[in-house]
Amino acid sequence: EAGVAQSPRYKIIEKRQSVAFWCNPISGHATLYWYQQILGQGPKLLIQFQNNGVVDDSQLPKDRFSAERLKGVDSTLKIQPAKLEDSAVYLCASSSSSNEQFFGPGTRLTVL
Amino acid sequence: AQRVTQPEKLLSVFKGAPVELKCNYSYSGSPELFWYVQYSRQRLQLLLRHISRESIKGFTADLNKGETSFHLKKPFAQEEDSAMYYCALRPGGTSYGKLTFGQGTILTVHP
Repeated sequence: EAGVAQSPRYKIIEKRQSVAFWCNPISGHATLYWYQQILGQGPKLLIQFQNNGVVDDSQLPKDRFSAERLKGVDSTLKIQPAKLEDSAVYLCASSSSSNEQFFGPGTRLTVL
Repeated sequence: AQRVTQPEKLLSVFKGAPVELKCNYSYSGSPELFWYVQYSRQRLQLLLRHISRESIKGFTADLNKGETSFHLKKPFAQEEDSAMYYCALRPGGTSYGKLTFGQGTILTVHP
């Protein structure tokens, strides 16, 4: 079974630049999650989609972060402009009605 | 608000020794508790959940509501158990509710 796909795997940018991450969930999974994992910490939920609607974005810094899942399948997460403290691994996960979350390999972002 | 605390960042044991990874939580309602594991160069994956009451790879975890704990235990550790372990909580009765993770414990099992 194909798992959750994410790209790119690594990204290095300078502060104030913009960056976008892409996630393709497991086929048929209605729920999609974006997590931020800062070094030494556990994953923190940024945003959760149910199909193409937002369920929870309470911890998304909306002044600089945005996410969309227009067709209820793949999703993009954007940061504009990036700050040094945005350096982290960004994880995408998806789940179906069984509600077990399956994680992608993550995108490691370094902001210089 | 929900919070998960894993007091040990690092835990080292020898092969064949018992291991216990601690997890404490704070949540006013009835939670669902999970353990996730990340092996070297692999994805984060579910190890077990308390509602299943199952043993996975020899690991068990019991939800203790009185002590608000969900410790992960294995009687005889193996080298392949070396990994990062995360405890996570979700509000009970909400299939799509937010998962809150602890900071993780790195388990190293020495030969």
